[in-house]
Amino acid sequence: GEDVEQSLFLSVREGDSSVINCTYTDSSSTYLYWYKQEPGAGLQLLTYIFSNMDMKQDQRLTVLLNKKDKHLSLRIADTQTGDSAIYFCAETRAGTASKLTFGTGTRLQVTL
Amino acid sequence: DAGVTQSPTHLIKTRGQHVTLRCSPISGHKSVSWYQQVLGQGPQFIFQYYEKEERGRGNFPDRFSARQFPNYSSELNVNALLLGDSALYLCASKPPTGGSGSPLHFGNGTRLTVT
Repeated sequence: GEDVEQSLFLSVREGDSSVINCTYTDSSSTYLYWYKQEPGAGLQLLTYIFSNMDMKQDQRLTVLLNKKDKHLSLRIADTQTGDSAIYFCAETRAGTASKLTFGTGTRLQVTL
Repeated sequence: DAGVTQSPTHLIKTRGQHVTLRCSPISGHKSVSWYQQVLGQGPQFIFQYYEKEERGRGNFPDRFSARQFPNYSSELNVNALLLGDSALYLCASKPPTGGSGSPLHFGNGTRLTVT
């Protein structure tokens, strides 16, 4: 079955880069997403990547996809205190695109 | 433009009661999905509706049901509430263009507490 795993916690200093990792098991995964959730709020879409890509950059965010190892990462450059939140990796397959399988989330703590 | 809106924002119910949660998608979006997020976990897929028809269902009991209206808004109904139904219920909508990879846009959720 589908499974998505993330480490639970990451702490970085303000101004450093953060790298949040995710692994997934479904080789049929075709779309991979990163969402951000702040306390008491819903999910904010950060970025997404199709499986035929290996990298996508969007301002401070860089997504790297290693399809062979089923590994996805999100790099946040110049991390700010406002980046403190829970980050969820999610995957889906073509034809089931509203059925996302989420990881358990990585809590990012940004310290001064 | 307004995002996905959900009501109510918070709700407290007693075991055995039923609850109705409401969602309005982003204007122009015809697909609505529901997710359950238990504290400390990632969201779990419950339903997808498109053009008023159920297009997908997750591993949830028949106590959970939903429907979509002609204006594409949606309701999630949960009967015979259990303590384990306490969660944040998220609604998401998806644009009609861009293919199946178009990302979901989530609302802020309804926090349901069952006592």
